[in-house]
Amino acid sequence: SQKIEQNSEALNIQEGKTATLTCNYTNYSPAYLQWYRQDPGRGPVFLLLIRENEKEKRKERLKVTFDTTLKQSLFHITASQPADSATYLCALASDSSASKIIFGSGTRLSIRP
Amino acid sequence: DGGITQSPKYLFRKEGQNVTLSCEQNLNHDAMYWYRQDPGQGLRLIYYSQIVNDFQKGDIAEGYSVSREKKESFPLTVTSAQKNPTAFYLCASRRAGQDTGELFFGEGSRLTVL
Repeated sequence: SQKIEQNSEALNIQEGKTATLTCNYTNYSPAYLQWYRQDPGRGPVFLLLIRENEKEKRKERLKVTFDTTLKQSLFHITASQPADSATYLCALASDSSASKIIFGSGTRLSIRP
Repeated sequence: DGGITQSPKYLFRKEGQNVTLSCEQNLNHDAMYWYRQDPGQGLRLIYYSQIVNDFQKGDIAEGYSVSREKKESFPLTVTSAQKNPTAFYLCASRRAGQDTGELFFGEGSRLTVL
């Protein structure tokens, strides 16, 4: 069955630097992959979606890439700020009907001033 | 305002009791989901439903049950068969179909079994 992995449990970087988070999946390439932000004690909030035929997607300081050969998505936050500190989750549909949405274990990002 | 409402936010129960968590949405979404989150962990899928009167098991359905009698509502019952029910439970919804975009989440229900 499809599995999804976020390799880093936690990432600490200096304010102003670029944070790069990794999401890997097994088996077949999903039709799309999503990234969410979750603050402590809250529900996740959608950030970006990238489709299998897109190599890169941008939204303000966020950039997502999708490499179907490596079976990997990278999530970048440029010019990081302490307010970007949160847990970031990747998600994909693990079935052919794209209805069973599964999540990775998340990466807890801390941006120090 | 449109959104997803989960209740209660916090719930304490004794071991062996069944508990039902409520999830209501007014987004007119067809699909609804229940996830469980343990401390420092990602979200694990319990059950999901694409349409009224139909639902599918997720990866950790044992010890849980759901119903989908109305489009707006997808309650989750944590039964006494669930061996470790203490967790943060998240409900989500989205439009059904393949090319539908993101999940919208509620604020979660934190269940503690004493």
